[in-house]
Amino acid sequence: NAGVTQTPKFQVLKTGQSMTLQCAQDMNHNSMYWYRQDPGMGLRLIYYSASEGTTDKGEVPNGYNVSRLNKREFSLRLESAAPSQTSVYFCASSGGQGAGQPQHFGDGTRLSIL
Amino acid sequence: AQTVTQSQPEMSVQEAETVTLSCTYDTSENNYYLFWYKQPPSRQMILVIRQEAYKQQNATENRFSVNFQKAAKSFSLKISDSQLGDTAMYFCAFMKHAPGNKLVFGAGTILRVKS
Repeated sequence: NAGVTQTPKFQVLKTGQSMTLQCAQDMNHNSMYWYRQDPGMGLRLIYYSASEGTTDKGEVPNGYNVSRLNKREFSLRLESAAPSQTSVYFCASSGGQGAGQPQHFGDGTRLSIL
Repeated sequence: AQTVTQSQPEMSVQEAETVTLSCTYDTSENNYYLFWYKQPPSRQMILVIRQEAYKQQNATENRFSVNFQKAAKSFSLKISDSQLGDTAMYFCAFMKHAPGNKLVFGAGTILRVKS
């Protein structure tokens, strides 16, 4: 059982390049999330998808777009990368019966933009 | 908007001793959930413990327990019999009782367990 799988694990981009981070979960979860982690700031929500077919902005959505391709997959796109987007990106999912279900995280993608 | 504050950027503890990590939060909600996540150097995010705000009883998971004080909006994590493998960044997180199960994280506390 792989859980949440993110690809790639590492990436270096030049300013202005575009890139899509991929995320897939095999737990049949309805909700999926993208976070960024920066030193001293914890994890901040970029976008989330409460269910297949819906997406909503989180705390820091500027410069990003997302696609909920199907129930399993949720991708994050940087159209024109900027140095301020250098960060570690985490995908997560949650589901199951009842409210307050914990989120399960992928292993993260370290993205550096030069 | 909810905020989560972890006032201890770094802490250290001797192996086999007990340590408490602090977390406070600000919310006007009455029904919510609180979590502690552990992030070891491997970068994985691992769920440590979950607390439901409407439950008076403090959650426990083996050597990990919480002290949940709803009126004070405080949610501290106690680690007993600390082990070297507990060395990690620990994040406190808040979730409203609402569709979407969104989390708001604190900035984290780095815990170092010394032998």
